[in-house]
Amino acid sequence: EPEVTQTPSHQVTQMGQEVILRCVPISNHLYFYWYRQILGQKVEFLVSFYNNEISEKSEIFDDQFSVERPDGSNFTLKIRSTKLEDSAMYFCASSERRQGANTEAFFGQGTRLTVV
Amino acid sequence: TQLLEQSPQFLSIQEGENLTVYCNSSSVFSSLQWYRQEPGEGPVLLVTVVTGGEVKKLKRLTFQFGDARKDSSLHITAAQPGDTGLYLCAGLHTGTASKLTFGTGTRLQVTL
Repeated sequence: EPEVTQTPSHQVTQMGQEVILRCVPISNHLYFYWYRQILGQKVEFLVSFYNNEISEKSEIFDDQFSVERPDGSNFTLKIRSTKLEDSAMYFCASSERRQGANTEAFFGQGTRLTVV
Repeated sequence: TQLLEQSPQFLSIQEGENLTVYCNSSSVFSSLQWYRQEPGEGPVLLVTVVTGGEVKKLKRLTFQFGDARKDSSLHITAAQPGDTGLYLCAGLHTGTASKLTFGTGTRLQVTL
């Protein structure tokens, strides 16, 4: 069964360092998303991406964040200068079409980012 | 900011009991989804409800969307230990169907 794959599963980084979280969406999917979940809190939307551009982003997704689809398979989230409060589980998701009533988004296993 | 509040936050019951989890908002959603999340994994979709008043069944799980499409409920009949997990509701906003707003989550534990 096709699945969304995220690497690494756990990343520890020092405050101020840049991190890149990687995702391989399901191959025929066209819409890609990043969500995050701070420990003990709810899952929060960060950004959606379609046709090589951001289609929507949340207030969390400030200038420190960027997304890219560098090739035909990977979808990355970059945090330029990490802060302690960026520590969270980051989930990548993808969907075949624009997410709606009949279109499911599939979530990856997540990358746990710990900023120290 | 559109919020989805789930209740209860935590629920510990014995095998065989019934339970209902509620998901409430002041906002209208174009559709609402229920997910289950296991520790260390991503959310897995259980069901999507679209029409106000809609009821969907998935084995022992019954999902209902409120008439005004602002709230939803998940009812589990005869809970089993395998039902243990975190249950999340998530709404797709009317007019902006590219992002989900997740609820606060209900952690269910079913014991023998």
